Amino acid sequence: QSALTQPASVSGSPGQSITISCTGTTSDIGDSNFVSWYRQHPDKAPKLIIFDVYSRPSGISNRFSGSKSGNTASLAISGLQTEDEADYYCSSYSSSAPHVIFGGGTKLTVL
Amino acid sequence: QVQLQQWGGSLLKPSETLSLTCVVYDGSFNDYSWSWIRQSPGKGLEWIGDINHRGDTNYTPSLKSRVAIFLDTSMKRFSLRLSSVAATDTAIYYCARRQSHWFDPWGQGALVTVSS
Repeated sequence: QSALTQPASVSGSPGQSITISCTGTTSDIGDSNFVSWYRQHPDKAPKLIIFDVYSRPSGISNRFSGSKSGNTASLAISGLQTEDEADYYCSSYSSSAPHVIFGGGTKLTVL
Repeated sequence: QVQLQQWGGSLLKPSETLSLTCVVYDGSFNDYSWSWIRQSPGKGLEWIGDINHRGDTNYTPSLKSRVAIFLDTSMKRFSLRLSSVAATDTAIYYCARRQSHWFDPWGQGALVTVSS
């Protein structure tokens, strides 16, 4: 069982928008601005797409955006494209060890 | 643009020692911490530990008694050693550069299977 809770799957059609939630506790997401998101295509390594809740690394499309409210962080993807079909993982700093925790992952299907 | 390339892994028997190495290309080695993360079907992504350029290490408590991360600054590489492996250690092991509390980039991953 992962420390952060994500839905197992979400789906959307090309052009639509979706949101993936990531729920933690007051010891991690609720007490931290160090939330990050990763995208993983099949048989590939995870790739950073959001860090520090809202920030995008260079080269990441502005279709990806992050937010946080209380103990829940969210990743929004607008204008869905077929290439967005992948697994998405959230991560957060935690005040208790281990100090880095991940969610169980969400499979995004673009119908 | 920094790239991480890793090698090692494959098939191990229970009680053997896992050894993996990650080389850092085209980037600063001294300004970051360097991490190992694993991914198994039953447990998702799990942070194993990391090491900074001074050699200071941090490990996840569940593996602390069996894990060690080493640094070779001159060769710009870092290594993972996990002793007394069991079937539950079967996973894809990734190396990654750590900045603050996020990881970017990641190595290509190495599948480690523990089976008798």
